Amino acid sequence: EIVLTQSPGTLSLSPGERATLSCRASQSVSSSYLAWYQQKPGQAPRLLIYGASSRATGIPDRFSGSGSGTDFTLTISRLEPEDFAVYYCQQYGRAFGPGTKVDIK
Amino acid sequence: QITLKESGPTLVKPTQTLTLTCTFSGFSLSTGGVGVGWVRQPPGKALEWLALLYWDEDKRYSPSLKSRLTITKDTSKNQVVLTMTNMDPVDTATYYCAHMDYDSGKYDSWGQGTLVTVSS
Repeated sequence: EIVLTQSPGTLSLSPGERATLSCRASQSVSSSYLAWYQQKPGQAPRLLIYGASSRATGIPDRFSGSGSGTDFTLTISRLEPEDFAVYYCQQYGRAFGPGTKVDIK
Repeated sequence: QITLKESGPTLVKPTQTLTLTCTFSGFSLSTGGVGVGWVRQPPGKALEWLALLYWDEDKRYSPSLKSRLTITKDTSKNQVVLTMTNMDPVDTATYYCAHMDYDSGKYDSWGQGTLVTVSS
């Protein structure tokens, strides 16, 4: 069973700043199978990135994903007010990481 | 357009069995490359994957909950049903179903979720 860990637990940033979120797997994960989701309070998760680096439909290009093997990164180039949320990584439709909360500094 | 909606009881008693139904449209579970997964989220906590059903009836369960979960489908009704036995207050959560793409494992469409409270 693959276990995902995410860091940091909370990221406090200001609008316009760059956010870098990390997802680490307990064993190697195919890049094809690593996804990132955004969740806002009271809402269902929303797919952002799949295949480690492909943006889902309608996702702005300020969101980007990278990585391979056991280390993956979600980058938000310039934070917009609507980007303050919790972000989860997931491997192949199964285990999720514990999430990273991006909040306003 | 793919839509999914969860339904079931909002309150169950400890030791009871929970049955949740995911009713969907915009795809068929008889089509190759499709799956439906269940995910839950206790209040204020992280997402937890529960179970996954593929178009070919293959099933996968969370190892920690496998003994308590059953996932089935009714293709004619466009429904996927999740049952969880021996409910406990720690199972209080919002339960989501989602459409999964087999090739990538991504959950690209989600239901709105249904809150289930376990209490006597």
